[in-house]
Amino acid sequence: SAVISQKPSRDICQRGTSLTIQCQVDSQVTMMFWYRQQPGQSLTLIATANQGSEATYESGFVIDKFPISRPNLTFSTLTVSNMSPEDSSIYLCSLDRVFTNEQFFGPGTRLTVL
Amino acid sequence: AQSVTQLGSHVSVSEGALVLLRCNYSSSVPPYLFWYVQYPNQGLQLLLKYTSAATLVKGINGFEAEFKKSETSFHLTKPSAHMSDAAEYFCAVRGGSQGNLIFGKGTKLSVKP
Repeated sequence: SAVISQKPSRDICQRGTSLTIQCQVDSQVTMMFWYRQQPGQSLTLIATANQGSEATYESGFVIDKFPISRPNLTFSTLTVSNMSPEDSSIYLCSLDRVFTNEQFFGPGTRLTVL
Repeated sequence: AQSVTQLGSHVSVSEGALVLLRCNYSSSVPPYLFWYVQYPNQGLQLLLKYTSAATLVKGINGFEAEFKKSETSFHLTKPSAHMSDAAEYFCAVRGGSQGNLIFGKGTKLSVKP
């Protein structure tokens, strides 16, 4: 398995502000993913974060709203910018272990926007 | 494009009864399939995976799943439910444009005493 930590674990934020979520993994990985899980919904990929290159965003997600950093092979951040109540979700990072064909997920960050 | 469909958003069983959670996939290539469990207020934990080896896959906590190509199914079963199995279960296929997982809508399992 893999050890993945996220900070903060939860937060309540005001409309119009921004929140940066940190993801730390216990080993060097090439690909990290950021997913969103809206209340009562399944997981949707926001973007893929590769070290040394720009993040790749899925349709419906843009860099201005969800900027991502990947400064090294064990760390990534996702910022939720100019938040609205519709951004209230669980945000999860995950890493891909290609050789075992497994993806492991962090504990998630529960965001509530008022 | 790959996709998964989970039949039944909510399944309720009695403790000790058989658990059957249904998942059907759509894939143009041999799929890699996964089942994850999410306990309340927690992240996702990998239960088991199918990667084209044995069609019957055993996972953690007594769960297993059988890959049936003819039925495009990957149903999750457990012979005897335990109260601690109450959680949400997600079926997923690897098939996104970035090698990411594509998830079904999830099935919430309730276990009655």
